[in-house]
Amino acid sequence: AQSVTQPDIHITVSEGASLELRCNYSYGATPYLFWYVQSPGQGLQLLLKYFSGDTLVQGIKGFEAEFKRSQSSFNLRKPSVHWSDAAEYFCAVGPGTSYGKLTFGQGTILTVHP
Amino acid sequence: GAGVSQSPSNKVTEKGKDVELRCDPISGHTALYWYRQSLGQGLEFLIYFQGNSAPDKSGLPSDRFSAERTGGSVSTLTIQRTQQEDSAVYLCASSSGQGRSDTQYFGPGTRLTVL
Repeated sequence: AQSVTQPDIHITVSEGASLELRCNYSYGATPYLFWYVQSPGQGLQLLLKYFSGDTLVQGIKGFEAEFKRSQSSFNLRKPSVHWSDAAEYFCAVGPGTSYGKLTFGQGTILTVHP
Repeated sequence: GAGVSQSPSNKVTEKGKDVELRCDPISGHTALYWYRQSLGQGLEFLIYFQGNSAPDKSGLPSDRFSAERTGGSVSTLTIQRTQQEDSAVYLCASSSGQGRSDTQYFGPGTRLTVL
């Protein structure tokens, strides 16, 4: 069965600092991987996704993520955090088919200090 | 274009009552999903529909939960005899259902509170 682990429940960074959110997955085949962001009271917004090809993927709002098969990881990074990035971030794995359920990590809450 | 919409945005009900939650997917999307987000359980898959195929109901927590999708578009999630543990945010998502790069787009959710 597929699973996702986000080891950090809560991360606090200063505005302008770099950010890395960790995600480890378990999946038997080539995974489809996603990062979503959720602001308070809002739904989930897709930041970026990985299906195949280049292991470094670029997303919206200046985020990027790197797929590392050897480490079963898909960590999210941003070189300089803005106060508006404060939100909850979810990593998810999907099946290797055209559709199917997503399995989400527990989420990481990001707090940004001015 | 319009995104996924859900109604109501908030629902407060009494224990034992039935509730219906509605989801309007993105036009043209053939796949529709329901998830539940609660403090103790995180984001959990409930059910999904793809075209005319039988729905995958494997995530429904009990037989009090059911969902239907009419005309391949709008979906309704029904919870009968609600319990306090049903309190959560119910999220709907849709996707094109085609191609290996299929991506789910989420609605704003319905916050259900069972008193």
